[in-house]
Amino acid sequence: GEDVEQSLFLSVREGDSSVINCTYTDSSSTYLYWYKQEPGAGLQLLTYIFSNMDMKQDQRLTVLLNKKDKHLSLRIADTQTGDSAIYFCAESLDSNYQLIWGAGTKLIIKP
Amino acid sequence: DTGVSQDPRHKITKRGQNVTFRCDPISEHNRLYWYRQTLGQGPEFLTYFQNEAQLEKSRLLSDRFSAERPKGSFSTLEIQRTEQGDSAMYLCASSSATGVDTIYFGEGSWLTVV
Repeated sequence: GEDVEQSLFLSVREGDSSVINCTYTDSSSTYLYWYKQEPGAGLQLLTYIFSNMDMKQDQRLTVLLNKKDKHLSLRIADTQTGDSAIYFCAESLDSNYQLIWGAGTKLIIKP
Repeated sequence: DTGVSQDPRHKITKRGQNVTFRCDPISEHNRLYWYRQTLGQGPEFLTYFQNEAQLEKSRLLSDRFSAERPKGSFSTLEIQRTEQGDSAMYLCASSSATGVDTIYFGEGSWLTVV
């Protein structure tokens, strides 16, 4: 069945890199996404990667995809207090873009 | 503001009452989605429209839930005879039929059933 898993919390020091990990089970995923959700707010699309890519970089964000291990990661360089949020990994399985979501990783920034 | 907008942002209702949420997607987007999110969980897919046609419904969408998109623009999600288990945030998203990177979410509508 379809399942996306993430660890619930990650704590990093301000200025360090954050690496948020995600595993998924369905090898037919077409696109994989990272969304950010701040308290009481909706979901902000951060970045996405097509399943035939293994890396994508966008400013401070780097996405790595290991399709063999069904592992996705999001690296945030030079983590700032404004990066505090819950980060969701999601996969889409078909062209209708219905998304299957992880439970989210809460990123905590220590001063 | 050209983002996805949802109304109301918060709704408190008594068990057994009906509630309706409205979503206005980004104007050029022809796909519209409803998701439900409870605390500590990721969103769960409820239903999806392409233009005015409702193409997919989750088994989570019981007979008490109905969604419409009558003119292919805004959408409404109605919950009849609300139950405490319906308390959640209801998220609307929209996208174009051709763009994979254009799935944009609204701020959500919080429902509390007391």
